[in-house]
Amino acid sequence: DGGITQSPKYLFRKEGQNVTLSCEQNLNHDAMYWYRQDPGQGLRLIYYSQIVNDFQKGDIAEGYSVSREKKESFPLTVTSAQKNPTAFYLCASSIMGTALRQPQHFGDGTRLSIL
Amino acid sequence: GENVEQHPSTLSVQEGDSAVIKCTYSDSASNYFPWYKQELGKRPQLIIDIRSNVGEKKDQRIAVTLNKTAKHFSLHITETQPEDSAVYFCAASRETSYDKVIFGPGTSLSVIP
Repeated sequence: DGGITQSPKYLFRKEGQNVTLSCEQNLNHDAMYWYRQDPGQGLRLIYYSQIVNDFQKGDIAEGYSVSREKKESFPLTVTSAQKNPTAFYLCASSIMGTALRQPQHFGDGTRLSIL
Repeated sequence: GENVEQHPSTLSVQEGDSAVIKCTYSDSASNYFPWYKQELGKRPQLIIDIRSNVGEKKDQRIAVTLNKTAKHFSLHITETQPEDSAVYFCAASRETSYDKVIFGPGTSLSVIP
């Protein structure tokens, strides 16, 4: 069954701690995205990656970092520099090679909270 | 900055009635308008989209209309069913830009049996 798998589903962060959210896809999609979802707000783009070993900052990249060492994987690290990390994080993907460069498939999300 | 407004924030309808959700966007370069449905505890799913060269698009019980001059677009759901209950997000974007997708804040739709 093809799709995007995010783990863990729930994550708690202590003060000064970095945490990493996993995102794996088996759709053979080239582009991957990380979004943050806060109550009453639309999804906001953190980072995106068009191809392996390349990624770009989105609107709210401060306090976050990513890597794209494999096509299937796009992990997001929430660093201690992110002062308000409590949110729902969504990973998404889309096919390249078409004119459409929008998130087409989403994962189930990771809910991050501060201890 | 660019933004997308979405109304209403919550909507309750009786089963079988129609539901309409409206969005307004500010980026005049936007040319692609997707709609996503997010059921409680589940991932967002793309349910319908429209491009700027089209005024209306239908897919069974759902339809989307676009007024580029007024920068408005709307989602119409007819003959609503309980399984239509979810949060619906609109978005406005430049089709060929990865980072120009602006999402609305969402509408929570409840269909009362």
